[in-house]
Formats: sequence, structure tokens, C-alpha cells
Amino acid sequence: EVELVESGGGLVQPGGSLRLSCAASGFTFSDHYMDWVRQAPGKGLEWVGRTRNKANSYTTEYAASVKGRFTISRDDSKNSLYLQMNSLKIEDTAVYYCTRAAGTSFYTAMADHWGQGTLVTVSS
Amino acid sequence: DIQLTQSPSFLSASVGDRVTITCRASQGISDYLAWYQQKPGKAPKLLIYAASTLQSGVPSRFRGSGSGTEFTLTISSLQPEDFATYYCQQLNSYPLTFGGGTKVEIK
Repeated sequence: EVELVESGGGLVQPGGSLRLSCAASGFTFSDHYMDWVRQAPGKGLEWVGRTRNKANSYTTEYAASVKGRFTISRDDSKNSLYLQMNSLKIEDTAVYYCTRAAGTSFYTAMADHWGQGTLVTVSS
Repeated sequence: DIQLTQSPSFLSASVGDRVTITCRASQGISDYLAWYQQKPGKAPKLLIYAASTLQSGVPSRFRGSGSGTEFTLTISSLQPEDFATYYCQQLNSYPLTFGGGTKVEIK
């Protein structure tokens, strides 16, 4: 059974940093693209970014709102995905979800599995 | 960036009703579109991908259609467990984007 478990959320001051982790199990992690998606309290979903798999050189994509501040990485040996968040802003307050992309084509790169989410609160 | 506009943003319906949600893209995205369902306090769940392909385990009362810039999600006979918020997502180009959501509530 596919399982994604996020950790690392918490309260951080504006301008601070936080690193989220996502532990994956139940599938061949190294084969899959992985995304982070966030949801501000009472708001809709916002795609944060993606890391491709080894076959695609682990390249990354980011939303404009986080580019230059957030970095997505992965460790296939540990079946883990990470989100390093720097220069945090109040508007980064959200639940952050780790998601697995089903495949690597345009037709199949949707999120077919989601973690339970971890809450990040940016406040002074 | 490709903008996705969902309508309506809120709808009130009864059990057994046929419900249609529309998602319009600001430019053509072929059929690279997915639909998700989210219940309060829970992670979203994939319903449909490639605009019209039902994800495994999703009831057949859910149907997706469309291509290009206009897409619809139809629930043929609304069930109590279908009251939730629905989101579309385009996978045509980066950054990937979601629609603003449609909340389906009990009438």
C-alpha cells in the first residue's frame, strides 16, 4: 500500500527557515516524480513544485511564488522527499502535502497519492 | 501561466441530483486535466485524469469530459458521500495550476 508521511511542520518566524520531509513507502520511490502542494487555511490548493526522477536527472520545477526561496530535493536511498523553505513569509502559512505523480507523461503526471499534510505557520 | 476558472464556486444540491462543474482554461491544454475531491480536514483524492479517465476505485457516477479550454465534471446522481470540494488541475505546462474549487453542499 502506498503511504506518504510528511513531517517537519511547525511555527516559524517571518524570514526563518524550515525543512519538511516526506517518507514514502509501498512503491518504487525512485521511479516517480514527486510534488509538493500546499493549502492555506480556508483556501484552495496551490502547486508548489516538482522533482523528476533519476531517469530525468532529478530536475525541478517551482511555482513563481516560491522560486528562489524553496528547494525540493530527494534521497532515493531513503525513499524520502524534502522541501527546504527559506525566507519564509506570512503568506507561506499552509498545510503542505507531499504527493506522488502517477507517471511521467502529460496524461499521467497527476497526483494519485497524497500524504496527510503538515502544517506550517509563519508568524511573529 | 495557465489560469483555471471553475464555476460555480459553490453549489447547493440534493441527494440524487445531477451536478455539473465547469473548469475553463485560459489557453488550450489538450486533455491534460485532472479532477480531485477533497473532504474537510482530509487530503484531496484523485477522481479523473486525462480529462475523462476514471481513476481506479472511483464510482462510475463521476464522469469527466472536455478538451482544449473547457472541461466538465458531472456527478450523475449525487450521493451523501459526494458532498465535498472539487478541484481541477492542468498538467499541460509549468507551473501546474489548480482551479479555485467548487464546494458542493447539501440543499
